[in-house]
Amino acid sequence: EVQLVESGGGLIQPGGSLRLSCAASGFTVNYMSWVRQAPGKGLEWVSAIYAGGSTYYADSVKGRFTISTDNSKNTLYLQMNSLRAEDTAVYYCAREVSGTYGFDYWGQGTLVTVSS
Amino acid sequence: QTVLTQEPSFSVSPGGTVTLTCGLSSGSVSTSYYPSWYQQIPGQAPRTLIYSTNTRSSGVPDRFSGSILGNKAALTITGAQAGDESDYYCVLYMGSGIYVFGTGTKVTVL
Repeated sequence: EVQLVESGGGLIQPGGSLRLSCAASGFTVNYMSWVRQAPGKGLEWVSAIYAGGSTYYADSVKGRFTISTDNSKNTLYLQMNSLRAEDTAVYYCAREVSGTYGFDYWGQGTLVTVSS
Repeated sequence: QTVLTQEPSFSVSPGGTVTLTCGLSSGSVSTSYYPSWYQQIPGQAPRTLIYSTNTRSSGVPDRFSGSILGNKAALTITGAQAGDESDYYCVLYMGSGIYVFGTGTKVTVL
């Protein structure tokens, strides 16, 4: 059974850093994305990583966030630096259906609150 | 900056049909953008309905269908049920590893 479980969210001060994790089971992390949702707002794609290590970022997080995977732990990560109030959101990890540029499985989300 | 525009809200009667659309701020949506659709009940994670324009995700009833209508991606819900009341989002793949979500449509069934 495919399962995605995020962790690592919490309250962090502006300018701080946080690392989110997304533990996967039932498949190997290869094509994955992070998607976020600010309180009361719509969904926003944040970052993607493909098999082979290619990484991609939304302009809003480029240079501050880093996506990565650890195949030995079958886990996806999002390292978030220089956090801003506007990064406050629930962060979801999602699996891409290989070759379709669509997502099929989603985690339950982890809340990141950036506030002093 | 690319903006995907969706209708802010739609109301449909139980048993009725509704078509939601997803348009580009500049240009036409085609299958080359691999449009996908997601349902989200507030407070819950998104659920995948459609990917690659018209492929239903596992377990999604055939009441949900995806297509290209004119210059937009479209999601049609037929035989609407109370449980379909939700927010719906489209996503386009813009190339070079970049995705864009639409603004979302709130569907009410009444």
